[in-house]
Amino acid sequence: AQSVSQHNHHVILSEAASLELGCNYSYGGTVNLFWYVQYPGQHLQLLLKYFSGDPLVKGIKGFEAEFIKSKFSFNLRKPSVQWSDTAEYFCAVSGSSASKIIFGSGTRLSIRP
Amino acid sequence: NAGVTQTPKFRILKIGQSMTLQCTQDMNHNYMYWYRQDPGMGLKLIYYSVGAGITDKGEVPNGYNVSRSTTEDFPLRLELAAPSQTSVYFCASSLTGTGGNTIYFGEGSWLTVV
Repeated sequence: AQSVSQHNHHVILSEAASLELGCNYSYGGTVNLFWYVQYPGQHLQLLLKYFSGDPLVKGIKGFEAEFIKSKFSFNLRKPSVQWSDTAEYFCAVSGSSASKIIFGSGTRLSIRP
Repeated sequence: NAGVTQTPKFRILKIGQSMTLQCTQDMNHNYMYWYRQDPGMGLKLIYYSVGAGITDKGEVPNGYNVSRSTTEDFPLRLELAAPSQTSVYFCASSLTGTGGNTIYFGEGSWLTVV
């Protein structure tokens, strides 16, 4: 069955700390991978996506993610977080020609000023 | 810059009542989706549509109905509201299938069933 697992439900960091949010997926065939962010009170926005090429993907606001096919993982990283990164982060996967996308349960990130 | 527009933003329903969540997009996207978001559960796909006149069930379709008479509009109907349908609902759209394409989300509709 197709699924996405985000093992960290709530992460609390201090400003300037490094961030890594885990994402593992189960999906047969070629995949497209996404990270979406939802700031408090707002709708989901695309942070970054991978669909081919360089497995290290850079997104907005200094975020990046690495697709490791052998580990079925697509972890999100940022070297130094800011208070404004407080949000909920969702990993998602779809097939290359799929008509729908499967989301993980989300990781809430809280940043202490 | 309208994008995906949902109405209403907030609604309280009594058990057994019916209502329709409206969704419209002005990006000429073929694909449209309805998700519900529950705390700690992420987003679950309710229904989706790949074009006008075509709809299909997602992961959690029970208790809901949709229609897609135009490219722009994709309303979600709750026929007999139940407390389990208390949730935040997001409408979304993408140009084509999700393979490599960005999904654009509306701002959400908070629904409470009492």
